[in-house]
Amino acid sequence: DIQMTQSPSSVSASVGDRVTITCRASQGISSWLAWYQQKPGKAPKLLIYAASSLQSGVPARFSGSGSGTDFTLTISSLQPEDCAIYYCQQANGFPPLTFGGGTKVEIK
Amino acid sequence: QVQLQESGPGLVKPSETLSLTCTVSGGSISNYYWNWIRQPPGKGLEWIGYAYYSGSTNYNPSLESRVTISVDTSKNQFSLKLNSVTAADTAVYYCARVRCTSTSCTMRNAFDIWGQGTMVTVSS
Repeated sequence: DIQMTQSPSSVSASVGDRVTITCRASQGISSWLAWYQQKPGKAPKLLIYAASSLQSGVPARFSGSGSGTDFTLTISSLQPEDCAIYYCQQANGFPPLTFGGGTKVEIK
Repeated sequence: QVQLQESGPGLVKPSETLSLTCTVSGGSISNYYWNWIRQPPGKGLEWIGYAYYSGSTNYNPSLESRVTISVDTSKNQFSLKLNSVTAADTAVYYCARVRCTSTSCTMRNAFDIWGQGTMVTVSS
């Protein structure tokens, strides 16, 4: 199985701050990586696919980068509505598809 | 727009079979990969498996011996059966669709549409 490791596990930042979340794959996955946002009691929402492509309707303050084993999700200017848990997911080596353990983003 | 809705019992007894259905509305089930994903309370996401609209399937090896996913194109539905359940199977179960590009639909992509999720508790 391809293991996906996210860091940090939680981050607290002020409104307007730049927030960066990292996801590392245990082996190369090309650009087959997605990022999701999950708010309490809700299903995950797709933010980024193919490592850097913004899903339709997602604010442009979200961006993704990386390839191979190292990836980042960046929120350029944190907004109160961005409080959530963020997950990465690899779609290169399966079965099984695997997710990262999640990063909780909070407002300071 | 396409919407997914899970349905099924919220309580299942240990050793019995968990059965859920996902109904696809606002679009066709054809040409896409349809997945089940679960999330134990307070924990992360676990992929269970998929069924392609044609009927082919693929499962998480950790669950493969107990899982069956099937598609009913006439009803625009797909289903999950998980047998011999234990308390460790208690989770929110989501159905989800893998997005297609403009030219192809493969599993090498992201989950673009999710159901709202249904909580299933395994308890006597």
